[in-house]
Amino acid sequence: GAGVSQSPSNKVTEKGKDVELRCDPISGHTALYWYRQRLGQGLEFLIYFQGNSAPDKSGLPSDRFSAERTGESVSTLTIQRTQQEDSAVYLCASSLGYQETQYFGPGTRLLVL
Amino acid sequence: SQQGEEDPQALSIQEGENATMNCSYKTSINNLQWYRQNSGRGLVHLILIRSNEREKHSGRLRVTLDTSKKSSSLLITASRAADTASYFCGLRGSNYKLTFGKGTLLTVNP
Repeated sequence: GAGVSQSPSNKVTEKGKDVELRCDPISGHTALYWYRQRLGQGLEFLIYFQGNSAPDKSGLPSDRFSAERTGESVSTLTIQRTQQEDSAVYLCASSLGYQETQYFGPGTRLLVL
Repeated sequence: SQQGEEDPQALSIQEGENATMNCSYKTSINNLQWYRQNSGRGLVHLILIRSNEREKHSGRLRVTLDTSKKSSSLLITASRAADTASYFCGLRGSNYKLTFGKGTLLTVNP
């Protein structure tokens, strides 16, 4: 079946603008995760959604970052008033349950000028 | 917080040789997952090994886990140029978070 998809693939924006990144998880996966990966670095956990439970937002770096998920489907990650240090690849993953394998999307490469 | 540390940071080998990468960690885990990443894009899941398992195989991949030493290794046999990528270990503790190290950059020269 279809894997995790993300859009856009690439996004170039000007400092101070808002951006919205989208993630479509694998159908039936109750858990959804967002990560950030800066150039040459590992993945930083941002936020976790599990079913209808309250999300774990403990990894969000500032209040400029927010995310939503509609039920067990699409999620959007919004970055307000973007800064140059927000430039990174933003990766979304989903899993059948929280202890299971995470399947990653291709990521959105964000460049803030 | 828990974070895996991959070793070496970079590895360069010739096609046909075996490649071994290691992952060390500090606190107990529920499972450990190895991923491959090409060109800084999405991660591809390779193998998940649970804390009560010692070894798993998948094709040319062999993963071992030694919980007493808090370490895991990924062996790629008969490497190919297409294996060139970054390899990450993801650690799963008692909750849902998967934490990653900085990865091992593997270059397989034709």
